[in-house]
Amino acid sequence: AQTVTQSQPEMSVQEAETVTLSCTYDTSENNYYLFWYKQPPSRQMILVIRQEAYKQQNATENRFSVNFQKAAKSFSLKISDSQLGDTAMYFCAFNCSNDYKLSFGAGTTVTVRA
Amino acid sequence: DTEVTQTPKHLVMGMTNKKSLKCEQHMGHRAMYWYKQKAKKPPELMFVYSYEKLSINESVPSRFSPECPNSSLLNLHLHALQPEDSALYLCASSQDLTYQPKGYTFGSGTRLTVV
Repeated sequence: AQTVTQSQPEMSVQEAETVTLSCTYDTSENNYYLFWYKQPPSRQMILVIRQEAYKQQNATENRFSVNFQKAAKSFSLKISDSQLGDTAMYFCAFNCSNDYKLSFGAGTTVTVRA
Repeated sequence: DTEVTQTPKHLVMGMTNKKSLKCEQHMGHRAMYWYKQKAKKPPELMFVYSYEKLSINESVPSRFSPECPNSSLLNLHLHALQPEDSALYLCASSQDLTYQPKGYTFGSGTRLTVV
């Protein structure tokens, strides 16, 4: 079974600053995908960024980037130049190739202060 | 169209009522999912449909009854629910059951309150 651990229940960041969310996972598989989802108070789960395990290059989407350390099974998310609209709960998720299941971490609530 | 649409957005029902939640996607995805989410918790998988057939039932009580009338539509029929069933119900879809490099696309959910 795959497990995903997010050790930071809550984080607070000043507008325009940078915040990093941690995520570790446990798997014996070699082919898998990792995701960060954002869920604002509006409730919709929005895909922020994804990473294929076979790719060494870290994924980047505008102000969002990841630090993927395959050997350490670590997948952290960096939000640069934080904006008020980034306030949300962030879930790290894992999906093994050839499997239907998307395993979620417990989530990290991020609050961006004006 | 890159959306999953869920209706209604809010639903209040009594314990003796029968109601249905609806989910629709037009992305050509062949796998669709129902999740239940309690406040400040991650979503919990309930049902998985693949090519309009029920593939996975995560030991969900029979008062929840899923239905997939066609490849774009997924329903969740509710009957005799309990107050502890109050939650956000999320629908999601993915390209295929065992190939989803782009992850799931989620709807915005139905906030269900059982009184």
